[in-house]
Amino acid sequence: SQQGEEDPQALSIQEGENATMNCSYKTSINNLQWYRQNSGRGLVHLILIRSNEREKHSGRLRVTLDTSKKSSSLLITASRAADTASYFCATDLNFGNEKLTFGTGTRLTIIP
Amino acid sequence: EAQVTQNPRYLITVTGKKLTVTCSQNMNHEYMSWYRQDPGLGLRQIYYSMNVEVTDKGDVPEGYKVSRKEKRNFPLILESPSPNQTSLYFCASSLREGVYEQYFGPGTRLTVT
Repeated sequence: SQQGEEDPQALSIQEGENATMNCSYKTSINNLQWYRQNSGRGLVHLILIRSNEREKHSGRLRVTLDTSKKSSSLLITASRAADTASYFCATDLNFGNEKLTFGTGTRLTIIP
Repeated sequence: EAQVTQNPRYLITVTGKKLTVTCSQNMNHEYMSWYRQDPGLGLRQIYYSMNVEVTDKGDVPEGYKVSRKEKRNFPLILESPSPNQTSLYFCASSLREGVYEQYFGPGTRLTVT
């Protein structure tokens, strides 16, 4: 079963708007990462947030982590057409095994 | 340029015909992994390798083999492919598992008829 589940599964917004997607997970983690995948291509790492961090920024990206709710969110501000992609969260679990487990992804479409 | 390469990028084959998908990285990474991606199922790990000569099963290893004789290469072998192995395959590497970002190859789209 998947450790991370993204929500929503699909999201369409107008260019310039902000996009928010969420990731929920089931067990304690060491770290959570977000990746982007353009259609049919390899995943590209966006940002990593550690379990003792609550928020992290990288350019137009803002990631939050709430370990009490076992959830994370990815905010993309001032969206652009080039942000159209699928976004995945990935967690490595906190019980001695550092295996990275990916969620099923959110498909983001930016409408020009 | 730091990268993970996979070959072939596209492959159409028939049931039972052995095939190998190569994966190579030039970043001296210890950790390498194979994933398959299917609609609605996300990425599922097939096999991974913590270092040379060290490999282990992921979530969906049935029907696949791997080897890690050199640090840079991690080929995926399908000894007798079946139609349910039709999928998009990705190789990835990282300095170590877990806390480090993974670098992905461009993918291999495999169709087994």
